[in-house]
Amino acid sequence: AQKVTQAQTEISVVEKEDVTLDCVYETRDTTYYLFWYKQPPSGELVFLIRRNSFDEQNEISGRYSWNFQKSTSSFNFTITASQVVDSAVYFCALSGITGNQFYFGTGTSLTVIP
Amino acid sequence: DTGVSQNPRHKITKRGQNVTFRCDPISEHNRLYWYRQTLGQGPEFLTYFQNEAQLEKSRLLSDRFSAERPKGSFSTLEIQRTEQGDSAMYLCASRAPGQGHNEQFFGPGTRLTVL
Repeated sequence: AQKVTQAQTEISVVEKEDVTLDCVYETRDTTYYLFWYKQPPSGELVFLIRRNSFDEQNEISGRYSWNFQKSTSSFNFTITASQVVDSAVYFCALSGITGNQFYFGTGTSLTVIP
Repeated sequence: DTGVSQNPRHKITKRGQNVTFRCDPISEHNRLYWYRQTLGQGPEFLTYFQNEAQLEKSRLLSDRFSAERPKGSFSTLEIQRTEQGDSAMYLCASRAPGQGHNEQFFGPGTRLTVL
């Protein structure tokens, strides 16, 4: 069965602090894909990153970085020097090799306080 | 605007009425997905089209729900005899052809309220 767990329901940080959003997944597939999406108050899900199961190299994009560890089935997301505009709900998602059916976690609501 | 568009953005209906939502995917995206998102939850997969063919349906898609994509472009999702439990955000996503493109791009959603 495919499952994504985001144990952190809500996080509040003060602007400029670093914050890490946790994502743990379960799958029996050997090939799979992991994603992070941002859902701001406007409601539209915004794609942030895709990772395939064969690529454990961490990635950095500006203030965003992702740590993928197959040994712990985790795909964590860190925002460095958080800003108020980062306030949103962040979803981690998993798909199988076809990339069709996505399994989303329940999301982490991040509030950045000015 | 070349993103995924959905209409209407909001729909309020009375229990027992039928509703229909429309999704226009990104141009040339041959795959189209419908999801449902309830408050405090992540999106849940409903169904998927490749071109005009409906290839997968979730068990969440009861017989009151029907989706079509007749010409392989826009899609409609109809809910018949709506129930209060159908109240949710209905999201549409599209994806480019080819195995190298797995990310799905989402529209703004249609928020349905059933009174």
